[in-house]
Amino acid sequence: AQSVTQLGSHVSVSEGALVLLRCNYSSSVPPYLFWYVQYPNQGLQLLLKYTSAATLVKGINGFEAEFKKSETSFHLTKPSAHMSDAAEYFCAVSDRTSGTYKYIFGTGTRLKVLA
Amino acid sequence: DTAVSQTPKYLVTQMGNDKSIKCEQNLGHDTMYWYKQDSKKFLKIMFSYNNKELIINETVPNRFSPKSPDKAHLNLHINSLELGDSAVYFCASSQGLGATNEKLFFGSGTQLSVL
Repeated sequence: AQSVTQLGSHVSVSEGALVLLRCNYSSSVPPYLFWYVQYPNQGLQLLLKYTSAATLVKGINGFEAEFKKSETSFHLTKPSAHMSDAAEYFCAVSDRTSGTYKYIFGTGTRLKVLA
Repeated sequence: DTAVSQTPKYLVTQMGNDKSIKCEQNLGHDTMYWYKQDSKKFLKIMFSYNNKELIINETVPNRFSPKSPDKAHLNLHINSLELGDSAVYFCASSQGLGATNEKLFFGSGTQLSVL
């Protein structure tokens, strides 16, 4: 079964600083990877997805992620953090078992942006 | 107009009671899901329905019974509630079977507190 691991349950950055949220995957086949964001008291929203078309994926709100097969990583970055980026971020992989697809989510990283 | 809506938003109840959470999506999607998010933000799939047919049933106690009267609705009924059932329950939908590059659309969650 495929899985993802998010390193760091909490990350704090200053406003304007680089955001780096880490995600490593475990998969025996080419993975399909996603980043979702959850703002307080809301459901998850898709930030971006990797489906093997390009290793550098651009998402909404200035976020991007790079798929690195050699490192089995799919880290999320943003050059300059805004206060509005404070949220919980989830990495996910699409897993196919017995012909059925389902998302496997990481444990999440809470991003705090300091003024 | 909310794409995936679930009610109620908050649910506080006593142990042993039976309760239901309702979910509706107006996106015309074929597949709907229930996810459980625990206090540590870990998000785990519980059930998935495609066109009213159950396709994913994780190892969930049989006190939990999903019902899909039509493909736009997926309700969750919980019998004999236990303290451990306290969590946030998210409904979600996708166009197809949640295949490798499909996006999930989430509701805003139902926070269930069992006292």
